[in-house]
This record gives sequence, C-alpha cells and structure tokens, in this order.
Amino acid sequence: DVKVTQSSRYLVKRTGEKVFLECVQDMDHENMFWYRQDPGLGLRLIYFSYDVKMKEKGDIPEGYSVSREKKERFSLILESASTNQTSMYLCASSLFRRAPNEKLFFGSGTQLSVL
Amino acid sequence: SQQGEEDPQALSIQEGENATMNCSYKTSINNLQWYRQNSGRGLVHLILIRSNEREKHSGRLRVTLDTSKKSSSLLITASRAADTASYFCATVSTSGSRLTFGEGTQLTVNP
Repeated sequence: DVKVTQSSRYLVKRTGEKVFLECVQDMDHENMFWYRQDPGLGLRLIYFSYDVKMKEKGDIPEGYSVSREKKERFSLILESASTNQTSMYLCASSLFRRAPNEKLFFGSGTQLSVL
Repeated sequence: SQQGEEDPQALSIQEGENATMNCSYKTSINNLQWYRQNSGRGLVHLILIRSNEREKHSGRLRVTLDTSKKSSSLLITASRAADTASYFCATVSTSGSRLTFGEGTQLTVNP
C-alpha cells in the first residue's frame, strides 16, 4: 500500500515563526500536493509539484512556499506564521504525471495551531 | 472556480440501512471522484467515474453520474458503523488542472 507520511500530527507555533511541514511518500509517485482544510471552506490547494525541483501555485499560495529536492519528499514552508494559517494541512500524492489529479493518496494530516 | 456540492450536509442512519449522498457541480468535467475521511485523518480515495461512464460499482459502493444534470450520487449499501465518516466528491474539469473538492457529507451510522 502507498504510504504518505506527514512528520507531525499536531504542531503549535508562535506568530512570526518559520514553520516546516514535511511529507514523504514511499511509492515513487510523480505528483505531490499540499492542501489545507478548514470548516466551511473544504479543501483548498496551496501548492503542487509534478517533478523534482518543480512547483506550481495552487489556489491559495500566499504566505506559503514549498520545496521538492527529492522525488519522495515535498515540504511546505510557512515563512512567517500567522494566526489565519491555523488549519489542518494535508499532503497528497498521485502516481502518473499524465493523470496527476486521479486517485490521490493522502497523509494523516497535520493540525497546526498558530498562537 | 468549479466546486462540487454535497447533499445532504449530514446524514444519520441505522446499521444495515443504505446511505445515499449526492453531489452537484457546475461545469463540464473529465472525471468525478469520491473520497472518505475519518475524523481527524486524511482522505481515502473510494472510486473514480469518468465523464463517459454512467455507473460504477466497488464492493458495497455504487456511484452514478448524470452529466446532463451535472450530478453524481454515492450509494453505500448495508451500512456499518465503520462507514461513519465524511464523504467528499471531487471533480476535475475539462479545462482545468485542479481537483476541486466539495465540503462533504457527514455520515453517521448508528449501531
């Protein structure tokens, strides 16, 4: 089975801190995604990547950056955390570059609280 | 942007009953997918139906797609307490590159 592992289940950070959320997948998937999930707003796409060192902005990239130095690892960076970035963050991956948005595998999520 | 909308927002049934959830969307799609999310966890892909398909089955799941009405339904037969979760539809439009999720239906199956 594909495993998508997010480094932390819960994180508490202070406003202004730099925050790193790590995600690793173990099945050689081409594509990786970061979403945030908020009540009443559903899942919103932050950034995605179809290849190593490649990144594309999603629907809400402001305040975030990403890094994909290796195929299996996709990191989300909050440059200066703010309270409105308190959310559940979900990493996902999918297998084929030609069909990146089919059958996503998700990690268990990181619940981030920014105080 | 296009978004799937699930109906109802919440559904409570008894074990053994069938559960039906609906999803409507706004623009032409390439495919529609259903995902399940247990409380506090990530999403799990259940089934994908393409725009040229009308019905698909997987175990106790049955999905239908009506592109003329821009709607889909997910039927879970003989539900179990373990089916308690949120269910999301997600669509990929013919013109876009995003997988867009609805806000989900919260299903509670009472033992």
